[in-house]
Amino acid sequence: KQEVTQIPAALSVPEGENLVLNCSFTDSAIYNLQWFRQDPGKGLTSLLLIQSSQREQTSGRLNASLDKSSGRSTLYIAASQPGDSATYLCAVLTSGTYKYIFGTGTRLKVLA
Amino acid sequence: DGGITQSPKYLFRKEGQNVTLSCEQNLNHDAMYWYRQDPGQGLRLIYYSQIVNDFQKGDIAEGYSVSREKKESFPLTVTSAQKNPTAFYLCASSIGLAGGLAKNIQYFGAGTRLSVL
Repeated sequence: KQEVTQIPAALSVPEGENLVLNCSFTDSAIYNLQWFRQDPGKGLTSLLLIQSSQREQTSGRLNASLDKSSGRSTLYIAASQPGDSATYLCAVLTSGTYKYIFGTGTRLKVLA
Repeated sequence: DGGITQSPKYLFRKEGQNVTLSCEQNLNHDAMYWYRQDPGQGLRLIYYSQIVNDFQKGDIAEGYSVSREKKESFPLTVTSAQKNPTAFYLCASSIGLAGGLAKNIQYFGAGTRLSVL
């Protein structure tokens, strides 16, 4: 059974710092991995999707990498800003299923 | 604007009552999903549908029911059998099998917060 873990659960950093969020999964047979942002009381916004055949994806200050063999993905945020404060979730779509499995998220606070 | 609309934003349920959460999408997506989110937990899948007139139970389907009579609509009913319905409910959609599962991006609505009176 696929399990997705995100560490740390919460993170507080000063503005301008580069930071890395981690996502681990137990079954490497996946179609894709997706990173989301969730603001308090809101729905999820898709940030990046990495297909199983890809190693990384970039969008602006965000870079996500995927290492299937080790069951890990990282989300790198460059030059963090207070507006980046939110909860970041990762989700994997396991091969042979149509079900996304979500991690519990990392709650990020960027201090001005 | 293309997107997913969930209504209502807030909903209150009396004991013994069934309530229905609406989810509509105009993205022409085949696949639709319902998730439940509790504080400090990740999203848990309630039901999903890959095509009209077909749906599958997720991990926590007990006490919930759905229908998929139209491509753009996937309503969720929280029945009186669901003893702990207080949560944030999220609907999502993706292009589905036709787009290739590796490329399936999930898009989410703004959510419905359900509370028990």
